[in-house]
Amino acid sequence: AAGVIQSPRHLIKEKRETATLKCYPIPRHDTVYWYQQGPGQDPQFLISFYEKMQSDKGSIPDRFSAQQFSDYHSELNMSSLELGDSALYFCASSFGRGRFEKLFFGSGTQLSVL
Amino acid sequence: GQQVMQIPQYQHVQEGEDFTTYCNSSTTLSNIQWYKQRPGGHPVFLIQLVKSGEVKKQKRLTFQFGEAKKNSSLHITATQTTDVGTYFCVILTGGGNKLTFGTGTQLKVEL
Repeated sequence: AAGVIQSPRHLIKEKRETATLKCYPIPRHDTVYWYQQGPGQDPQFLISFYEKMQSDKGSIPDRFSAQQFSDYHSELNMSSLELGDSALYFCASSFGRGRFEKLFFGSGTQLSVL
Repeated sequence: GQQVMQIPQYQHVQEGEDFTTYCNSSTTLSNIQWYKQRPGGHPVFLIQLVKSGEVKKQKRLTFQFGEAKKNSSLHITATQTTDVGTYFCVILTGGGNKLTFGTGTQLKVEL
């Protein structure tokens, strides 16, 4: 069965550079979530999209932006990267807004900012 | 914002011992989910609880939702090394799609 695909798996950037993380949800899933997980920390909710519209916003810095495209894939754009942005970024997808359906997570993108 | 505390933060057990993690919310919950994250892996859905006092079992795992729907627990009987990982409860906050993770309980199982 198809799972949530994230790319790239690993990304190394310098301070002040930009990065784009991509997420391809499970087919027919209409909701995408982005989470940031630091070492030994719980995943922190960044933002979610339902049917290509922003649904909820969490602790996402203004330097970050995200969108969901017509094919339901999503991209997280990160600018002016800081050392503290180094983390594992997960994308998850589900079907149905506000229905509290179970989340299917991708394998994550490990971002290292040097 | 709404916080979800889990206790304990860490638990080391000998293989065969039981393990329990507790999830506590400051507000009444509509429902709650549990996820497991293996070291180096991603969170994987375990179960969802909806009803007050609900108890669900999955082999050696028993999940319970409190009567007041403010707390939940996950109990593992006779732990195995395959149970190693961090267990998170997840709640729905906000009106749409904001799913908040609990602080997690990291389980280590020693032979």
